[in-house]
Amino acid sequence: GQSLEQPSEVTAVEGAIVQINCTYQTSGFYGLSWYQQHDGGAPTFLSYNALDGLEETGRFSSFLSRSDSYGYLLLQELQMKDSASYFCASSRGTGGSYIPTFGRGTSLIVHP
Amino acid sequence: DGGITQSPKYLFRKEGQNVTLSCEQNLNHDAMYWYRQDPGQGLRLIYYSQIVNDFQKGDIAEGYSVSREKKESFPLTVTSAQKNPTAFYLCATRETSAGETQYFGPGTRLLVL
Repeated sequence: GQSLEQPSEVTAVEGAIVQINCTYQTSGFYGLSWYQQHDGGAPTFLSYNALDGLEETGRFSSFLSRSDSYGYLLLQELQMKDSASYFCASSRGTGGSYIPTFGRGTSLIVHP
Repeated sequence: DGGITQSPKYLFRKEGQNVTLSCEQNLNHDAMYWYRQDPGQGLRLIYYSQIVNDFQKGDIAEGYSVSREKKESFPLTVTSAQKNPTAFYLCATRETSAGETQYFGPGTRLLVL
């Protein structure tokens, strides 16, 4: 089957750097995405990695190692508004289809 | 004003009743997806559609049905066979020629009376 593992909760202080890890087991793996979801809201796309290495988008960076089936999301200069749930999602393909699978999410709590 | 709309925001279902959740998009995206989210859980894929008049079961399709008669619309019916339907339902779209980014609607909360 397909599965992704990520920590259930991470806490940090404002201004700090935090890393959220994700390991996956996905046959036919295409890539790894990251989404942010505030309480009661809809997920919004943050970042995507198809190849090994680091992708940087402002304060957020995402890393992928395909050989280790591992990725992480790095959040820098944390702000209170970054308190939210963060989901990693792997994509796989069968017969031309793109099929996503989400992890259970990591709740990030940012303290002043 | 482009986007994805889901209606209603809250929906109440009586025992044994079928209910239909609406998802409409004007982004002209080919692919559409339905997810279920339970409290403190991730998103689980119910059904997806890559093109009009075609759809595939996801990981938890039992007790649900969909149709894709128009590119803009992908309604989800929660049937009486779904014994535990209380959840937050999210619809998403993706432009198949533009990568893997999914765009989500605001969601519908379904509660059983």
